[in-house]
Amino acid sequence: SQKIEQNSEALNIQEGKTATLTCNYTNYSPAYLQWYRQDPGRGPVFLLLIRENEKEKRKERLKVTFDTTLKQSLFHITASQPADSATYLCALGGYSTLTFGKGTMLLVSP
Amino acid sequence: DAGVIQSPRHEVTEMGQEVTLRCKPISGHNSLFWYRQTMMRGLELLIYFNNNVPIDDSGMPEDRFSAKMPNASFSTLKIQPSEPRDSAVYFCASSLTSGGASTYNEQFFGPGTRLTVL
Repeated sequence: SQKIEQNSEALNIQEGKTATLTCNYTNYSPAYLQWYRQDPGRGPVFLLLIRENEKEKRKERLKVTFDTTLKQSLFHITASQPADSATYLCALGGYSTLTFGKGTMLLVSP
Repeated sequence: DAGVIQSPRHEVTEMGQEVTLRCKPISGHNSLFWYRQTMMRGLELLIYFNNNVPIDDSGMPEDRFSAKMPNASFSTLKIQPSEPRDSAVYFCASSLTSGGASTYNEQFFGPGTRLTVL
């Protein structure tokens, strides 16, 4: 069966460092992958989309990579700030719908 | 734009009662999704509408759950009868998709309805 794995343990880093979050998947061939941010008590908010034929995508301090051979996506936040603290969800895109991972909590301390 | 609007924000009910959750998507969006989020199972898709037509309801847990979209600006998710295991946060999301194709476009989520069934 399809499986999406994100690190269930929170990632704690210091302000200014680069945060790297991982999304691994099995039994799936997504056409694209999206990353969302979710703050407590709120709905997820879209951050980035990367297609299967793209290796890397950047948006300001965010960078996403997509390796369809390894079946893995890496999500990087450079020069992290306490305001980046949130849960980050990866979502794999099929024909019509998204399948979400459970997310990884990121905590950036001053 | 006000974004996706959901009501109520919180609902506490007793087992066996009927629960109706409501969603108003972003104007102009033609796709609407209902999700359920729990700590154990994460964010799960329940049902997907495109142009008010249910396209994929494979995630609907059982016959106790039903969803409707009578027009482009309103959708409901009903649980009857409700059970304690239905306790979760229910999200509605909308997006604009073209040509009936894949949801390459981002989904916009509402604030969610926190449902507690006692």
